[in-house]
Amino acid sequence: DVKVTQSSRYLVKRTGEKVFLECVQDMDHENMFWYRQDPGLGLRLIYFSYDVKMKEKGDIPEGYSVSREKKERFSLILESASTNQTSMYLCASTTPALAANVLTFGAGSRLTVL
Amino acid sequence: AQKVTQAQTEISVVEKEDVTLDCVYETRDTTYYLFWYKQPPSGELVFLIRRNSFDEQNEISGRYSWNFQKSTSSFNFTITASQVVDSAVYFCALSVWSGGGADGLTFGKGTHLIIQP
Repeated sequence: DVKVTQSSRYLVKRTGEKVFLECVQDMDHENMFWYRQDPGLGLRLIYFSYDVKMKEKGDIPEGYSVSREKKERFSLILESASTNQTSMYLCASTTPALAANVLTFGAGSRLTVL
Repeated sequence: AQKVTQAQTEISVVEKEDVTLDCVYETRDTTYYLFWYKQPPSGELVFLIRRNSFDEQNEISGRYSWNFQKSTSSFNFTITASQVVDSAVYFCALSVWSGGGADGLTFGKGTHLIIQP
C-alpha cells in the first residue's frame, strides 16, 4: 500500500516560531501536495510540487513556503507562525500527468499556534 | 476556475436509513474527474470512487452508489441501509488536466454524516 507519513500528528507552537511539517511518501510519486483543512471551509490547497526542487502555489500560499529536496519528502514551512494558521494540515501524493489519478493522503498534522 | 458545492454541512440519520449526499460542481473543462473521499474520525482521507466526465454510468459498490448527471452537474452519493461505521465527513472533489499536470483536487466543504444507533 502507498504510504504517506506525516511526522507529527499534533503540534503546539507559539506565535512567531518557525514550524516545519514533514511529509514522506514511499511509492516514488512525483506529485505531492499540502492542503489545509478548517471547519466549514473544507480542504484548501496551499502548495504542490511536480518534481524535486519544483513548487507551485495553490489557492492559499500566503504565510507558507515549501521544500522538496528529495522526491519522497515534501516539507511545509511556516516562517513565523500566527494564530490564524492553527489548523489541520494534510499531505498527499500521486503519480503525475493525469487528472484521474487518486491522491493518497497522510493522517494529518494538527497544528495549534498559541 | 473549478468549484465544488456540498450544500449539506451535516446530516443525521438513524441506522439503517438510506441517505444521499449531494455534490454539485462547476468547470469549463470538458475533461474532468470527480471523486468522493471519506474522512473518518481518525482523520485520514480514504478514496471511495473516481468518475470521468465521459462516463455517466451510475455505479454501485455494496451499500454505496453514485449518480453522475452532467445535465445538472451533479455527482451524488447514496448510502443504503446506513451503519454507524459510515459516520464520517465525506468530501466531493473535482480534478482537471491543466497541461502541466494535475493541480491537485478542488474539494467541496464536506458533509458531516452522523449515523445514530
